[in-house]
Amino acid sequence: DQQVKQNSPSLSVQEGRISILNCDYTNSMFDYFLWYKKYPAEGPTFLISISSIKDKNEDGRFTVFLNKSAKHLSLHIVPSQPGDSAVYFCAASPNYGGATNKLIFGTGTLLAVQP
Amino acid sequence: GAGVSQTPSNKVTEKGKYVELRCDPISGHTALYWYRQSLGQGPEFLIYFQGTGAADDSGLPNDRFFAVRPEGSVSTLKIQRTERGDSAMYLCASSLNGGSETQYFGPGTRLLVL
Repeated sequence: DQQVKQNSPSLSVQEGRISILNCDYTNSMFDYFLWYKKYPAEGPTFLISISSIKDKNEDGRFTVFLNKSAKHLSLHIVPSQPGDSAVYFCAASPNYGGATNKLIFGTGTLLAVQP
Repeated sequence: GAGVSQTPSNKVTEKGKYVELRCDPISGHTALYWYRQSLGQGPEFLIYFQGTGAADDSGLPNDRFFAVRPEGSVSTLKIQRTERGDSAMYLCASSLNGGSETQYFGPGTRLLVL
């Protein structure tokens, strides 16, 4: 049972355009969401996060939007650059009274930014 | 400052052998996590340490897998009687205090069981 879903395995965009990566989740106990970027043969690199008490968080070219009623979040990258080409993972952390803080990951979306 | 480091970067072993994978977290981080990533999948949680103790080991797949963090810093993931299905990327992450905060990942150890 996949609690965090990234339904698009890949996405291709032109340099300078907006990239929108989507993520859906099923567990209403998730209270913290993160996006990681991963290059081949490297560990995931933290990009941006959002708490469930917010609906938007922005950091430079990266913005994460959270729609709790729809259990949906998205990552916007604008403008996209060729160096953004990587696999992007959405992750969520459940709040079970603070007892555990494991991250539950989606399967990733491969973003290719074409020059 | 130094990030999370993991050794070895690659490990090839034979079915039935014992392996140890090491993780050095970011200095001062009390929380440490192990994840496993198979091809085409996202990382899957294995175990979480808060200090020296395993606060949550619910992700360990079976009793062949064990992890320790005796001094609250370096951690070792131990796999006994390895099987071909154990082949994966093993990732370690740390965070400052645990809780709903950012986890920082190491580069991983790629394990191949022949």
